[in-house]
Amino acid sequence: AQKITQTQPGMFVQEKEAVTLDCTYDTSDPSYGLFWYKQPSSGEMIFLIYQGSYDQQNATEGRYSLNFQKARKSANLVISASQLGDSAMYFCAMRVGDAGGTSYGKLTFGQGTILTVHP
Amino acid sequence: AAGVIQSPRHLIKEKRETATLKCYPIPRHDTVYWYQQGPGQDPQFLISFYEKMQSDKGSIPDRFSAQQFSDYHSELNMSSLELGDSALYFCASFGLSGAGYNEQFFGPGTRLTVL
Repeated sequence: AQKITQTQPGMFVQEKEAVTLDCTYDTSDPSYGLFWYKQPSSGEMIFLIYQGSYDQQNATEGRYSLNFQKARKSANLVISASQLGDSAMYFCAMRVGDAGGTSYGKLTFGQGTILTVHP
Repeated sequence: AAGVIQSPRHLIKEKRETATLKCYPIPRHDTVYWYQQGPGQDPQFLISFYEKMQSDKGSIPDRFSAQQFSDYHSELNMSSLELGDSALYFCASFGLSGAGYNEQFFGPGTRLTVL
């Protein structure tokens, strides 16, 4: 069975600073994909970034980057130049059997981290 | 671009009543997933369908049933509702992202409140 752990229930960051949200995972499947989602108070799930287990480089999407350390089984999200609108719940999720981003598998989510950006 | 549509967006029911949640996937997406997110919880996988057949099953109570229809929309039927069923229910459809990998596109969710 796969498991995602987010050990930071809440994080605070000053506007324009960078912040790292931690995520560790556990699976015996060599093929997997890691996702980060943002959930604002309105409730919708917004996809941020994806990292495949066979990807050689860390994923980046604008201000979001994923610090993927496969040996440590960690997939931390780095948000650069934080904005007030980044205040939200952030979920790390995993999908197994993900060879080249093709898996139909379900997502397993971590407990989430609430990020608060201060002006 | 078209997104996943869920209806209704909000639903209030009494205990022991039934509820039906609907999901309309992105056009040409043939796989849908249902997730339940309780207050302050992470989303939990309930069930998924591929080409109108159940493809995977998670922690879905026996009181719940779901199906996918010929037009690929899906319905989650919930009977004998309990207070603990109050949650945000997400539907996601599966397709190719602009970046070249497959991802689940989430709908806005249906917020169910059981009184």
